[in-house]
Amino acid sequence: DSGVTQTPKHLITATGQRVTLRCSPRSGDLSVYWYQQSLDQGLQFLIQYYNGEERAKGNILERFSAQQFPDLHSELNLSSLELGDSALYFCASSGRSRGSTDYGYTFGSGTRLTVV
Amino acid sequence: AQSVAQPEDQVNVAEGNPLTVKCTYSVSGNPYLFWYVQYPNRGLQFLLKYITGDNLVKGSYGFEAEFNKSQTSFHLKKPSALVSDSALYFCAVRFNTGNQFYFGTGTSLTVIP
Repeated sequence: DSGVTQTPKHLITATGQRVTLRCSPRSGDLSVYWYQQSLDQGLQFLIQYYNGEERAKGNILERFSAQQFPDLHSELNLSSLELGDSALYFCASSGRSRGSTDYGYTFGSGTRLTVV
Repeated sequence: AQSVAQPEDQVNVAEGNPLTVKCTYSVSGNPYLFWYVQYPNRGLQFLLKYITGDNLVKGSYGFEAEFNKSQTSFHLKKPSALVSDSALYFCAVRFNTGNQFYFGTGTSLTVIP
């Protein structure tokens, strides 16, 4: 167990629907990152939150949104789903505090989304 | 532009032979470099990192990597490959000016018994 918890592990939904993916970061980590991994696109950075605030944005579609709550868990909302949104969505966390010597990410095991 | 490249999509090596998975980066500052491994249907697991100091870093499962500043490379190596090393390997770079990681496209390593 990496300490980063993602739910659900698997999700099957129809096109046009909306889903919410949840991530609980490692205890004390303030940053949460969302990544999309698909066969043809590799690992794509979507968005980062730090202590509740959006910090960086990557290749995130307008149909996607995220937020980080006061207890530091994060949710990724995917709407108007298309077949091409089928992918593995990873959450990672880092940095127990400013000045932390922990330079790396800790990844969750991912949510596999299948849009049919 | 900041980027990291893994020039090989697939690497095959016989069990017991040395393995190398290549990574190069393009950066305008001082990078922090990482290797992660992904087993099927699992998240990425940290293998090793270079922050500063000795250019040769040792990590989990007998892996090591050498930071070469002049060649802007950070190749992953292991002296003797195991079948259980078969997985997807990602090189990542993070710059000391920010938190965001840039990942390579991944290299699929297959160790043949």
